[in-house]
Parts: sequence; C-alpha cells; structure tokens
Amino acid sequence: DVKVTQSSRYLVKRTGEKVFLECVQDMDHENMFWYRQDPGLGLRLIYFSYDVKMKEKGDIPEGYSVSREKKERFSLILESASTNQTSMYLCASSPGVGPAEAFFGQGTRLTVV
Amino acid sequence: AQSVAQPEDQVNVAEGNPLTVKCTYSVSGNPYLFWYVQYPNRGLQFLLKYITGDNLVKGSYGFEAEFNKSQTSFHLKKPSALVSDSALYFCAVREGSGATNKLIFGTGTLLAVQP
Repeated sequence: DVKVTQSSRYLVKRTGEKVFLECVQDMDHENMFWYRQDPGLGLRLIYFSYDVKMKEKGDIPEGYSVSREKKERFSLILESASTNQTSMYLCASSPGVGPAEAFFGQGTRLTVV
Repeated sequence: AQSVAQPEDQVNVAEGNPLTVKCTYSVSGNPYLFWYVQYPNRGLQFLLKYITGDNLVKGSYGFEAEFNKSQTSFHLKKPSALVSDSALYFCAVREGSGATNKLIFGTGTLLAVQP
C-alpha cells in the first residue's frame, strides 16, 4: 500500500515562529502536494512539486514556501506563522503519468497562538 | 480553469436508505473526476474515479458514481447507507496535463446517516 506520512498530527506554534511541516511518501511518486483544509472552503492547493527541486505555486501560496531536495520528501514552510494559518494541512502524492488518484497523509492540525 | 461544485453542505439519510451526494463539474476537454472520503481528524481516502468508458463507476465500500456528460454531473451513490458511512465527502477534478496530476477539490459534503 502507498504510504504518505506527515511528521506531526498536532502542532501548536507561536505567532512569528518559523514552522516546518514534513511529508514523506514511499511509492516513488513524482508529484507531491500541500493542501490546506478549512471548514466551508474544502481543500485549497498551496504548492505542488512535480520533480525534485521543482515547484509551482497553487492557489494560496502567500506566507508559505516549500522544499523538495529528495524525491520522497516534500516540506512546507511557514516563514512567520500567523493566526490565520491555523488550519489542517494535508500532504498528498501521485504518480507522474496518467490521470491517477492522489494518496493523502493523515493530516497535521496546526494551531498558531 | 477546471472546477467542481458540491451544492449540499450536508446530506441526511436514514440507515438502509439509498444515498446520493451531488457533484457538478466544469472542465475544458475530457473530465477526469474523483471522489474521496474523510473520516474525523484523518486524511482523505480515495473512493473511485472516472477516466473514460462506462458511465457507472464502482468503488470502495459499496459506493458507485454516475457520470452524466449532458448534465455535467458526477454524483456519488450507495444503494443502502450505513451509519459508518457518516463522513465528509469530496469531489475532485484533475487540472493540468501530462505529468502534473493536480486535483481541484469541491467544498465537501457532510453525510450524516441516522440509525
């Protein structure tokens, strides 16, 4: 089975902190994604990566950056956490060929105080 | 740009009754459509997808979805609901081509199955 693992289930950080969310997949997928989930808004794409060191902005990249130094790992970085970044963050991966489904991690619920 | 809409925030159904969760789409070109389910405080689990072929797609846990091109819909269905089906359901459409399988999600529909 495909496994996508996010490093933390729950995080509490202070305003202004630099926050790292880590995601690892074990299926050699080319594509990796970071989504943010908020009630009533569904999932919104923050960033995605289609290859090592390659990235593209999604719909809401402001206040975030990403890093993909190795194929299996995709990190989301909150440069200076703010309370409006309190949310559920979901990482996903998918193969690089065909209209394939994405596989999701269990999510990280981040609270910024 | 591709998009999907889920017109119902919540669907209530009694256990044993058929259920339908609605999704409509807007795409240019061929639609590639997906359904996911999310249980509380968990990530999303893939249920089924439509790529091409038969308009009735069967998926996990007894769910199926009907693709209707003329109505631009991809509704999720199950003949007999279980209390354990209670969860948040998301419809999604693929955006992009080639190697980038970027999924655009709807806002989600909460399914509540009463015993």
